Order: sequence, then structure tokens, then C-alpha cells
Amino acid sequence: EAGVAQSPRYKIIEKRQSVAFWCNPISGHATLYWYQQILGQGPKLLIQFQNNGVVDDSQLPKDRFSAERLKGVDSTLKIQPAKLEDSAVYLCASSNSYNSPLHFGNGTRLTVT
Amino acid sequence: GQQLNQSPQSMFIQEGEDVSMNCTSSSIFNTWLWYKQDPGEGPVLLIALYKAGELTSNGRLTAQFGITRKDSFLNISASIPSDVGIYFCAGHSGGSNYKLTFGKGTLLTVNP
Repeated sequence: EAGVAQSPRYKIIEKRQSVAFWCNPISGHATLYWYQQILGQGPKLLIQFQNNGVVDDSQLPKDRFSAERLKGVDSTLKIQPAKLEDSAVYLCASSNSYNSPLHFGNGTRLTVT
Repeated sequence: GQQLNQSPQSMFIQEGEDVSMNCTSSSIFNTWLWYKQDPGEGPVLLIALYKAGELTSNGRLTAQFGITRKDSFLNISASIPSDVGIYFCAGHSGGSNYKLTFGKGTLLTVNP
């Protein structure tokens, strides 16, 4: 089966600019996650979707981050405006049910200068 | 929030050696997972553990879910150069959402 697809692979922006990341989960996977992985650390959950509804966004900095999953398939994560500390790899993951292991994409490496 | 302490932070070993790494938690988990991450890629699931005391193998990898449900370990036997990478433990404490808490990872380097 095809894996989780993410784009772009790399993005370099200046602080205060905006950026968007796209994720296409594994076909049929109802649950989608966005994780932030800062260099040297493990992934940290930003937001979890079940179909097109948000299950958990408690760690999403909502003043600058937003995410949507229209039609319960693809998802986009946006940062506006970006800060230097947002430099990280943004990983998308999906699972076929709420208690199944996650399958990760290769991530988008964001550098904010 | 929940925290996972993963150790060691890094390991430098010779090809053929066995490796052991572990994770401890301040709270109980219902599921323990072990992932491996290669440079420029996302984490890949190695082993999933669902029951206290469970011992599961995947090739040269063996992982155990601690009896107290607050710890887990991963062993790699007869290491090879392609074992190089970062190994993460992750735990799930239950509930209607599958919120994983990740450790900070163990960087494994294998000398050929």
C-alpha cells in the first residue's frame, strides 16, 4: 500500500511569513495526526483528526497554527506568522482506527530564518 | 503532562554486538511502541506491545512491556550497520483518542 505522502519536503521562510504543509494519509485511514519534531527530540502531537473532526488540538498554538481536514482525507497545516522556534520537522501520520499504531510520512523540514 | 525518559541518549557500538535501550514513564501506559527513524524519514514502527509482561520479537529485535506498565525495553541482537538510526519509544495511556507520548530517542551508531 502507498504510504503517507507529505509535501513539500523542505521549506525555508523568513520569520513572520506564512507557510502551509500538505498531507495525504494512507487510503482508508480515518485518523490523521500532525506532529512537530524539533531537532534532538521526539515527535510532539499538534493535532489529531478523526475523519474531518478534531479529536485533540490541546497542544496546537492556535494563535498562529491552524489545520483542517476537509472531506476527511487530505489535510493541511498552516503557520501564520512563523517564528524562529517553529523550525522543525512536521510529520503527518495516519492510522486505520483510533487505537491502531501510527504510520508516518517523511515529514516537511521547515527552517525559519 | 506525561513524560518518557529514554536511555541511553546515544550508543556507539561495534558490528555484531548486542544493544539494549529502555524507556520509563512517570505514569502507567496501556500500549508501548518502538519506532526507528532514519535521517530524512519519518519514524517506522518496529514493535507494538499491548499487555503488561508481553515479550515480542521482530527478527533480531525483542521488546518487552514492563510488569509495572511504566517501562519498556528494546534489545537488538547481533547489530549490523543498517541498524544505525534513532530509536524512539512511545506510550499510550488509553482513552478515546490515541495520543502517543514519545521519548527523546536513542541515537545508535554501529561501527562496521
